[in-house]
Parts: sequence; C-alpha cells; structure tokens
Amino acid sequence: KAGVTQTPRYLIKTRGQQVTLSCSPISGHRSVSWYQQTPGQGLQFLFEYFSETQRNKGNFPGRFSGRQFSNSRSEMNVSTLELGDSALYLCASRQGTYNEQFFGPGTRLTVL
Amino acid sequence: AQTVTQSQPEMSVQEAETVTLSCTYDTSENNYYLFWYKQPPSRQMILVIRQEAYKQQNATENRFSVNFQKAAKSFSLKISDSQLGDTAMYFCAFMKQRSEGAQKLVFGQGTRLTINP
Repeated sequence: KAGVTQTPRYLIKTRGQQVTLSCSPISGHRSVSWYQQTPGQGLQFLFEYFSETQRNKGNFPGRFSGRQFSNSRSEMNVSTLELGDSALYLCASRQGTYNEQFFGPGTRLTVL
Repeated sequence: AQTVTQSQPEMSVQEAETVTLSCTYDTSENNYYLFWYKQPPSRQMILVIRQEAYKQQNATENRFSVNFQKAAKSFSLKISDSQLGDTAMYFCAFMKQRSEGAQKLVFGQGTRLTINP
C-alpha cells in the first residue's frame, strides 16, 4: 500500500500570499489530520477531517482552513501568509475510530 | 488541556548502549493512549510504540520498551542495543480515548537522540 503523500514537498511564498497544501491518505483511510511543526512551538494540531467533515480544530487563526474530498484527499489553505507561518506541515491519516496515525513526509513552507 | 513534557532536549550515547528517554504528561482523563514517535533526519514521522492507559503491562516492540507509570503520569522509552539508525528526534505524544470522532495527538517538545559509532 502506498503511504501518505503530500504535495508539494517544498514551497516558498511571500508575505500576504496564500497557499494550498495537499494530502493524499493511505487507501481506505477516512481520517486526515494536519499538524504544524516549528522549532519554537513544536508540533501543534491544526485540524482533523473525517468523512469530509471537520471534527476538531486546533488553536489557529481563521487564516488556516481545510477541506476533505469524497476520496478522502485533504487540502489545507493558509491565506494572508505571515513570516511565522514558515513551518513543516505534516499530514496524518488513520483508518477508523482508533487506529494508528500514519504521517506523510511533510511540506516545508517558507514565507519570505 | 493536556500537556506533554520531555525534559531532555538532547541525548547522545554510544552504539549498542541502552538509553532511556523521559516523558511526563498532565491530564485529568482516565482513558487515553500514549505514543512514542520517531522522526529521523528524513522527516518522516514513524510510530515506535504505543501504550493504552488501561493496560498495566508495559508495551514492548523488539528493542523498544516503555515504563508506564500511570499514577506518576510518566511514560519513558527505553531503547536497548542502540543502533546508528536510531538517531532521530523522538516525540512523546498523548491522545484521549474517545468512542468516535475527532482525535488529536498532543506532542512533547521532542528529544534529539544521537547514536555515536
């Protein structure tokens, strides 16, 4: 089975722009979670989608949004980028109510 | 809110030695899961081991084992016969047990482990 894939792997944007990151979960997995990883704040939960519905949201401003499609693929969007949004964005998928979360390789976003 | 604390930012041991990484957590929940994740320099996060809070027996996965002390809210990871490939960031993580729906991992700040030849 293919693992969790994230595209793009690297992204450079400037302040004020917006960005969309994509995550394809493992086949059969219906849940997708997003995490932000920075040296200062560590790993922080952004949100989780399950069967196209946002089930949980972390403590991030409304500039961070996401969605999930019927094939379980998920996108997250960050609008009006700030320098502090520079981070590694990790996506994780799981199969059901409680199962191991499998992480993707991440998207490295740099905001200049 | 749950918090997870890893008090050792960095550790370094020689190959084949045994090393223990510390983790404490704070929660008012009674049912939860605890995890150790490994993030090698390649960045792919990998699950090392997990522990269900209702299980008294400590989890073991080959060279990896945990010491779970529920009353003390402590969850340490022991790596035996350490190998160069164990070099990575190790994250302790907590997740509430819920019957359905949203679940999120709460991570510690990580411990950078280096295995020296």
